[in-house]
Amino acid sequence: RKEVEQDPGPFNVPEGATVAFNCTYSNSASQSFFWYRQDCRKEPKLLMSVYSSGNEDGRFTAQLNRASQYISLLIRDSKLSDSATYLCVVNTASGTYKYIFGTGTRLKVLA
Amino acid sequence: GAVVSQHPSRVICKSGTSVKIECRSLDFQATTMFWYRQFPKQSLMLMATSNEGSKATYEQGVEKDKFLINHASLTLSTLTVTSAHPEDSSFYICSARGPGQGKLNEKLFFGSGTQLSVL
Repeated sequence: RKEVEQDPGPFNVPEGATVAFNCTYSNSASQSFFWYRQDCRKEPKLLMSVYSSGNEDGRFTAQLNRASQYISLLIRDSKLSDSATYLCVVNTASGTYKYIFGTGTRLKVLA
Repeated sequence: GAVVSQHPSRVICKSGTSVKIECRSLDFQATTMFWYRQFPKQSLMLMATSNEGSKATYEQGVEKDKFLINHASLTLSTLTVTSAHPEDSSFYICSARGPGQGKLNEKLFFGSGTQLSVL
């Protein structure tokens, strides 16, 4: 089983739609969780950290469920510019900051 | 902020040659940097953790004699792909943890990546 798993997609959604991605992780001792966005042939850019209490940034909402070992990302009112690959990132080792990336979920927002 | 600069952005080289990629933290000191490799339509795979002033820690399956990492200063880490072969063609990307000891320190900031093509 992979340490961090995501549905690769692609998710093709119309503009204005709400879309949700999930990511599961295998190491129950994981400490920090993030969503990154990566455009084709570019570096990943931090979208948001994910906290136990859940957090929201504009149209984006992230949730963490430690009991079930998954994190989620919800995008509301999708824009064409949201088309990208969304990477789930987990820091799996306390103190050593070893970041493990999921395979990414491709989102395509259609006009 | 936390800006990481990576050069070159693209390299085309002949098989058997060595290629050096530089990763610099521009506005902060990075005692630890990470080197990743990404093949098309795949995720980032951690190759090694680069520690300033000490040897890099390589992930299982990554040849340390082939991928030489030097972290000579608090702002510079280099990855040298020695005797490159076509199968080494990939997108190489470095990252560093953010500065300080707060939430920024938990996050990774990436260089812009290097697309290596070995002919």
